This record gives sequence, C-alpha cells and structure tokens, in this order.
Amino acid sequence: GQQLNQSPQSMFIQEGEDVSMNCTSSSIFNTWLWYKQDPGEGPVLLIALYKAGELTSNGRLTAQFGITRKDSFLNISASIPSDVGIYFCAGQLPQGGSEKLVFGKGMKLTVNP
Amino acid sequence: DVKVTQSSRYLVKRTGEKVFLECVQDMDHENMFWYRQDPGLGLRLIYFSYDVKMKEKGDIPEGYSVSREKKERFSLILESASTNQTSMYLCASSFWVGELFFGEGSRLTVL
Repeated sequence: GQQLNQSPQSMFIQEGEDVSMNCTSSSIFNTWLWYKQDPGEGPVLLIALYKAGELTSNGRLTAQFGITRKDSFLNISASIPSDVGIYFCAGQLPQGGSEKLVFGKGMKLTVNP
Repeated sequence: DVKVTQSSRYLVKRTGEKVFLECVQDMDHENMFWYRQDPGLGLRLIYFSYDVKMKEKGDIPEGYSVSREKKERFSLILESASTNQTSMYLCASSFWVGELFFGEGSRLTVL
C-alpha cells in the first residue's frame, strides 16, 4: 500500500526552540493535512494544504505543500510546553475521497520548560 | 464548534463479548469513518460510509461491522471481541474530501 515517511520520529527540545518535521512519499498527493494528537485524545486538524507550492501559516505553525506534490513540511516556531504531543501528516491520493487519506506514523514532540 | 462525539472513552470487555462503539457528529457531514490506532502501526481504516445505509470496507474490516441508520450516527460493532482488538478506536467525519474531524477516541481493552 501507499506509505508516508514521516521524520523525525521524535524530538526533545527546549522551550523557545523551533521545530521542523516533514513527510515524504513516492506517491503524488492532492491534499496534505497536518494533525496534532494530545495524549489520550483524538487528532486535531492544524493545517490543510491544497495546492503544490502552497505555504500556509496558523499562528506559530507554518506548513508547505511540496512543489513535486510528494512531500510536505511543518514548522513550529518558539515552542511552548503545550506543543507537546504527536504530530501526524496525512496525504490524500488523487483518486477517491477521504478514504484515500494516507497517514504518517507520527512525530512525538517533547518540550522541556 | 465542530463536534464528533464518541460514546465511551474507556471500555473493558471480555473475549467473546459483543461491543458497540457509538459515534455522533453535529456538522451534517456526509462522510464518516472508523479507524484504529496502534503503536508503531499508525492509523488504519476499518470502515467508512458516504451516506445513510451505505458502508464500505477499509483496509482492516475483518472482525468488525458498522451501522449507519442516521446521517449523524455511525456505529462500530465487534461481534465477538478478541484480545487483538485491544486498541484506540477513532471515529471521524468529513464534509468533503480531505479534512477529517476526529472524535476523542475510545480506548478498548479486551481481556
């Protein structure tokens, strides 16, 4: 099946540092989504990207849809303790609807105050 | 505020029991989904539905069934729970392609 390679798998940072993570694939995607999941909770949508090359910000978060449509990155600037959680990327394949979402395995972020 | 509500946050069941996981969304979304989430395996699609009375198998439907009698409600059924179905179950809905809205999750333990 389709796979998304999400890296890094985990990060330990100090409060105030910036964080970068990315997802890559050999497949082309029409949409890229970034989610955050707090411990014991469901994922929450952070940013949605719909066009190749698109760069979108949401507060301290910035995400880009790669120009090749095979990758995306998410940056978090000036991290704070509540940024702790697992961050997932998801890409939607060209054929089909939301059932064609492919998820990365997630990146676990730890922020030391 | 969009809302997907799962009826039980934590359940403990015995092997062989029938288990119902309920999910309700208040966004008038056509599409609803059930995933399971396991460490190291990520999110895997069990079943989905694009309309009332309609259901489609996802990637791992074995051992599960679903019911969608009303647009806002999508139920996941484990006819005879087994220990390998111990997992976090996530319901989601979407209005159109892409943006899934997830519930809080139901953590099921089968003893």
